[in-house]
Amino acid sequence: DQQVKQNSPSLSVQEGRISILNCDYTNSMFDYFLWYKKYPAEGPTFLISISSIKDKNEDGRFTVFLNKSAKHLSLHIVPSQPGDSAVYFCAASRFGAGGTSYGKLTFGQGTILTVHP
Amino acid sequence: DAGITQSPRHKVTETGTPVTLRCHQTENHRYMYWYRQDPGHGLRLIHYSYGVKDTDKGEVSDGYSVSRSKTEDFLLTLESATSSQTSVYFCAISESKGANTEAFFGQGTRLTVV
Repeated sequence: DQQVKQNSPSLSVQEGRISILNCDYTNSMFDYFLWYKKYPAEGPTFLISISSIKDKNEDGRFTVFLNKSAKHLSLHIVPSQPGDSAVYFCAASRFGAGGTSYGKLTFGQGTILTVHP
Repeated sequence: DAGITQSPRHKVTETGTPVTLRCHQTENHRYMYWYRQDPGHGLRLIHYSYGVKDTDKGEVSDGYSVSRSKTEDFLLTLESATSSQTSVYFCAISESKGANTEAFFGQGTRLTVV
């Protein structure tokens, strides 16, 4: 049972344009969502996050939107740069569960983003 | 960069042999996790630790055990390696600071079971 899904295995965009990566989840208990970027032969690196009490969070070129009623979040990258080419993972957690379960992440399958010069 | 070191970085082992992967952190974070990454599955949680000698199972724990005798070290053991355990393994750490915070990941260990 895949609780977090990224239905687009890959996305190709032109440099300078917007990249939109999508993620859907099924577990309504998730209350904190994160995006990670991963280059080959490296570990995932944190990009941006959003709490379920918000519907938008922005950090420079990166903006995450959360639609709780649709159980959907998206990552917008504007403008896209060739260095953004990587695998992007959406992840969700139950921060409210607290205690010993703190920080456990459920990941989507990932989307390969390619930004062409 | 968070101080997380995984060792070894690459390993090839034979089916049926025991294998131990090590994660060492210098951040003094309370929580540590082991994930595996496989095509089509993203990263899946194997085991995690919420303190010294305090561990619990994750989503895909069968065939794996863990130990945490010191804050800085979290070991993942494959008691008898199988080909289905060929994967890339990532260690992660996090700390609760009264607000949501992200997990930091190590560089990964590529394990091949032949």
